[in-house]
Amino acid sequence: KNQVEQSPQSLIILEGKNCTLQCNYTVSPFSNLRWYKQDTGRGPVSLTIMTFSENTKSNGRYTATLDADTKQSSLHITASQLSDSASYICVSPSGGYNKLIFGAGTRLAVHP
Amino acid sequence: GAGVSQSPSNKVTEKGKDVELRCDPISGHTALYWYRQSLGQGLEFLIYFQGNSAPDKSGLPSDRFSAERTGGSVSTLTIQRTQQEDSAVYLCASSLGSDRQQYRNEQFFGPGTRLTVL
Repeated sequence: KNQVEQSPQSLIILEGKNCTLQCNYTVSPFSNLRWYKQDTGRGPVSLTIMTFSENTKSNGRYTATLDADTKQSSLHITASQLSDSASYICVSPSGGYNKLIFGAGTRLAVHP
Repeated sequence: GAGVSQSPSNKVTEKGKDVELRCDPISGHTALYWYRQSLGQGLEFLIYFQGNSAPDKSGLPSDRFSAERTGGSVSTLTIQRTQQEDSAVYLCASSLGSDRQQYRNEQFFGPGTRLTVL
């Protein structure tokens, strides 16, 4: 069964600290792995997209890694800011390039 | 430019009533998607439109759910005889296309419609 699992379910960190969010996926055939940020009351916004040939990709303070052998991905946030408080969702397409399988997300709270 | 817009932003209805949710995709995007996000759950695929092709309806949970896309642009998701378990946020997304070119199939999401069925 195609699925995407994320951990932890929620996380609280202090402003300025780093954190790493985890994603395990079992999607076949694999084409790419995406991380989205979803602010409360908003739609998800894409942070990174990685194909199987890419093992790291950065977008500002966000760095995503991909291990296609273990089918794991991580999202590392550096020097967190209050505005990083959001849900972070790991996503991979299945059955085509547009039928997305979403993880349940990690809810991150950054406290001052 | 304008992003994906959805209306209404909030909808409260009584059990058994029909509701219509609207999505305006980004101009020029040929692909349009509907998702449902229940409280504490991941997004769930509902339906996908690509150009003039027959839509992929494989995610619709029951025959009470239907969607149309008129003129290749605006889409309406209709839920008939709403039930309390239909309460969720309904998200619409659009993308340039549906092919191997990654940048073309990146999906851009609207803000969603929060549906509450009493």
